[in-house]
Amino acid sequence: EPEVTQTPSHQVTQMGQEVILRCVPISNHLYFYWYRQILGQKVEFLVSFYNNEISEKSEIFDDQFSVERPDGSNFTLKIRSTKLEDSAMYFCASSRLGNTEAFFGQGTRLTVV
Amino acid sequence: GNSVTQMEGPVTLSEEAFLTINCTYTATGYPSLFWYVQYPGEGLQLLLKATKADDKGSNKGFEATYRKETTSFHLEKGSVQVSDSAVYFCALSDRGTASKLTFGTGTRLQVTL
Repeated sequence: EPEVTQTPSHQVTQMGQEVILRCVPISNHLYFYWYRQILGQKVEFLVSFYNNEISEKSEIFDDQFSVERPDGSNFTLKIRSTKLEDSAMYFCASSRLGNTEAFFGQGTRLTVV
Repeated sequence: GNSVTQMEGPVTLSEEAFLTINCTYTATGYPSLFWYVQYPGEGLQLLLKATKADDKGSNKGFEATYRKETTSFHLEKGSVQVSDSAVYFCALSDRGTASKLTFGTGTRLQVTL
């Protein structure tokens, strides 16, 4: 069964460093998303991406964040200069269309020290 | 803005016990409502959904009814199994779609023999 794959499963980085979280969405899906969950808090929407551009973003998704689909299979989330408060579980998701079920990856746990 | 409130966990039940996980929401208009489940080491999986008032979503023995009058979408199962141990997330989308979901904090369910 097709699935969304995220790598790495756990990343530890020093404050101020850049990190790139990687996702391989389901191959025939057209819409891509990033969500995050800070420990003990709610899963929060960050950004949606369609047709090689951001279609919607939340207020959390500031200039420190960027997304990219560098080739036909990967979808990445970059955090330019990590802060302690960026420590969270980051979930990638994809959907075939904008109004169909979103399939989620297993998440990348980011720890900023 | 939209919000989802779930009962706090963890919820610990014996096998074959009855399960209820409460979920209430705040949203404008007529949102679609979802329950997602996350098994250990896996991504978020859609468990069930309801798109309009009085709809009942069901899957794998789980049920939830969209109650507009009480703005609730409580998850129930008549007889839980050890394999149901997971984290359960209530979510809504005000677009009638599965994109840009607003999640609750999640409720961890532990089922013991």
